Amino acid sequence: GNSVTQMEGPVTLSEEAFLTINCTYTATGYPSLFWYVQYPGEGLQLLLKATKADDKGSNKGFEATYRKETTSFHLEKGSVQVSDSAVYFCAPSGYALNFGKGTSLLVTP
Amino acid sequence: EAQVTQNPRYLITVTGKKLTVTCSQNMNHEYMSWYRQDPGLGLRQIYYSMNVEVTDKGDVPEGYKVSRKEKRNFPLILESPSPNQTSLYFCASSKTSAWGGDTQYFGPGTRLTVL
Repeated sequence: GNSVTQMEGPVTLSEEAFLTINCTYTATGYPSLFWYVQYPGEGLQLLLKATKADDKGSNKGFEATYRKETTSFHLEKGSVQVSDSAVYFCAPSGYALNFGKGTSLLVTP
Repeated sequence: EAQVTQNPRYLITVTGKKLTVTCSQNMNHEYMSWYRQDPGLGLRQIYYSMNVEVTDKGDVPEGYKVSRKEKRNFPLILESPSPNQTSLYFCASSKTSAWGGDTQYFGPGTRLTVL
């Protein structure tokens, strides 16, 4: 099935720092790609997604571009805030979804 | 309000005592799924259902049962819980199969402790 590899973290950044969380995928065909976020004590929620190659998903200042040539979907944000502290999951679409461990981000004031 | 609800949110039980965690969605979604989340192991899929009366195993189905008699409900059944099933459980749903690229909507989670 489809799967991803992403850095586990924890990633610790100071407020206003630049964020990159790498995600590479292996898949049959061309799946949709997602980033989900889990804030402390909550379930996962969609952050952004891209449905085809070269698409850019964006939301809340976060961006990720679907790169078919490098099979990647790296998450970026130019200036993180304390409220962005959460666990981030990269996932491809598929019959059985594999979210993996996610990447824990802690942003300090 | 479109949502996925789970009950109970917290449960402490003893080994061997059958329990059911309910999951319900009000979005008329076809696809529903159960996950467990454990420190160091991440989020792993237990079972999923493509539609009513259609269920299939995920990565970690042992010790669990599910049923999908109605589109909106997808209960998770632990016939004889054991301590290694202590975990945080999430139910999720999407409009159609997750293969189609639909967004998954997650419930708030059920924290289960088996003593």
